[in-house]
Amino acid sequence: KAGVTQTPRYLIKTRGQQVTLSCSPISGHRSVSWYQQTPGQGLQFLFEYFSETQRNKGNFPGRFSGRQFSNSRSEMNVSTLELGDSALYLCASSEGQGRMSGNTIYFGEGSWLTVV
Amino acid sequence: AQRVTQPEKLLSVFKGAPVELKCNYSYSGSPELFWYVQYSRQRLQLLLRHISRESIKGFTADLNKGETSFHLKKPFAQEEDSAMYYCALKTSGSRLTFGEGTQLTVNP
Repeated sequence: KAGVTQTPRYLIKTRGQQVTLSCSPISGHRSVSWYQQTPGQGLQFLFEYFSETQRNKGNFPGRFSGRQFSNSRSEMNVSTLELGDSALYLCASSEGQGRMSGNTIYFGEGSWLTVV
Repeated sequence: AQRVTQPEKLLSVFKGAPVELKCNYSYSGSPELFWYVQYSRQRLQLLLRHISRESIKGFTADLNKGETSFHLKKPFAQEEDSAMYYCALKTSGSRLTFGEGTQLTVNP
């Protein structure tokens, strides 16, 4: 099986712009989560989608949004970019149902976003 | 609110020495804990989860609910164990709360 795939891997944006990041989960996985990783704040949960519905949300401003499509692929969007949004954005997928405690969560390689 | 604490940001040991990476958690529900590892320039990978009680790459971790700890241990560290280690707590759905991470360096 192919792993969690994220695109683009690297991108540079200007302050005030918006950005869309894409994630393809492992085949059969219906849960997709997004995390922000920075040196100062570590790994922070953004949101989780399951069957096209947002199931969990972290403590990020409304500029951060996401969605999930019927094929479980997910996108996250950040509008009005700020310098502090520079980070590695990680996508994770899991089966997300059934024996919840048995679901392994797999991570992608991430999308490196630099805001200048 | 849930919280995961890894008190050591950096840990350095010599090859063959025992290693212990500490993790403490705070959670009102029934905890489900994991250790993830991130080798240089690689993706975050699951190392251990407490429910399986298995040993991966010689590492073990025991959940101590009384002390709210989930420390990661290995009796004899190897150079290839050098990496960033994250302790994580799963709460609702597939949401993970991570600790700050411990950078382990195993010296030859």
